Amino acid sequence: LAKTTQPISMDSYEGQEVNITCSHNNIATNDYITWYQQFPSQGPRFIIQGYKTKVTNEVASLFIPADRKSSTLSLPRVSLSDTAVYYCLVGGNAGNMLTFGGGTRLMVKP
Amino acid sequence: GAGVSQSPSNKVTEKGKDVELRCDPISGHTALYWYRQSLGQGLEFLIYFQGNSAPDKSGLPSDRFSAERTGGSVSTLTIQRTQQEDSAVYLCASSDPLRGRGTDTQYFGPGTRLTVL
Repeated sequence: LAKTTQPISMDSYEGQEVNITCSHNNIATNDYITWYQQFPSQGPRFIIQGYKTKVTNEVASLFIPADRKSSTLSLPRVSLSDTAVYYCLVGGNAGNMLTFGGGTRLMVKP
Repeated sequence: GAGVSQSPSNKVTEKGKDVELRCDPISGHTALYWYRQSLGQGLEFLIYFQGNSAPDKSGLPSDRFSAERTGGSVSTLTIQRTQQEDSAVYLCASSDPLRGRGTDTQYFGPGTRLTVL
């Protein structure tokens, strides 16, 4: 099971772009990279998933370099409501995404 | 159309009592997960069910913890002889891994906050 490493916390200001990088040096060939967002008193919520290069949806972008040993979640123009904990997971087949780790606590300030 | 639901939302119990936590997954989802989250911490995997396969119980912290999934749908997590260190939020998630590779997105319920006095 691929282990992930993320910064414990990050601070930003409203309107800025935020990039959170996750390291996953022992990612397997079949593994995908998935990011979740968790607000206080709620369960985590799926944000984005990718395998390689770049994925973009209405919420975020995910950048994955060619070696896939890391990935960067990019949140454009954050607002106060983006204050949350962001988790990076690596896996793909059923049952492999079992280790969430500590996540990155993002604080967006006015 | 409904998401994952859990009950109760809050449970306060006395040390030594047994508790049962319920999870109703999204209809049609074959995979079901239980996690535990202590205050300010990440998620700790407890147990995983997939279809009719034997559950992956590798995350259960002790034999006081058990879970079952009836009819491939509803799941119950049971904690016997609760201890104060069992106090946490217990989260359930379901997914539909048979949809294809890399699509094992987990959908989480709101959790049950367990407080053991």
